[in-house]
Amino acid sequence: GAGVSQSPRYKVTKRGQDVALRCDPISGHVSLYWYRQALGQGPEFLTYFNYEAQQDKSGLPNDRFSAERPEGSISTLTIQRTEQRDSAMYRCASSPSDSHYGYTFGSGTRLTVV
Amino acid sequence: DQQVKQNSPSLSVQEGRISILNCDYTNSMFDYFLWYKKYPAEGPTFLISISSIKDKNEDGRFTVFLNKSAKHLSLHIVPSQPGDSAVYFCAASARGAGSYQLTFGKGTKLSVIP
Repeated sequence: GAGVSQSPRYKVTKRGQDVALRCDPISGHVSLYWYRQALGQGPEFLTYFNYEAQQDKSGLPNDRFSAERPEGSISTLTIQRTEQRDSAMYRCASSPSDSHYGYTFGSGTRLTVV
Repeated sequence: DQQVKQNSPSLSVQEGRISILNCDYTNSMFDYFLWYKKYPAEGPTFLISISSIKDKNEDGRFTVFLNKSAKHLSLHIVPSQPGDSAVYFCAASARGAGSYQLTFGKGTKLSVIP
């Protein structure tokens, strides 16, 4: 597609529920990244995929967070047993290679846990 | 501990004047710096970047200056236009295998007054 597409744009969920956030990167971009942005903060790195391989998950805050990219294109970030502190904007980005060049962000998914 | 700091949360500038946005960093491994611009309800978009081997990079109305000894960079916008009103994020990338990961500041909200 023309840009990085994320769905849903907004998600309100009850504490304890699982949520799945989707990212559709720019066609042909081999690298995909997930970031989390709290209100008034800059984006913070969560995890990185090169094709289908999850190369770095050092930014995932705990084991309730997981991500996959099974076919090297669309990615899903899953949060299990959501907590109020998980409320944030979740941003996906993609790039043509495994570097900062050509990073393109999506519009994000605003997650609210009530 | 913030490795990239933008100490001014907001800045107001008259149309036609110069806007100067500042950014400081603490990690000496950072060797590439980027500025992103973000409009409401959109993802951050790449604006301009600079490698640590340079001290200045210019692109139209936008110039980024890097002072490595002071670990400081600044973005100059001349002349400022109302359409420049947005949140500006400073980001940095470290050399080596982790160069895909961007570390962001908290952002500075620029308002250009007509």
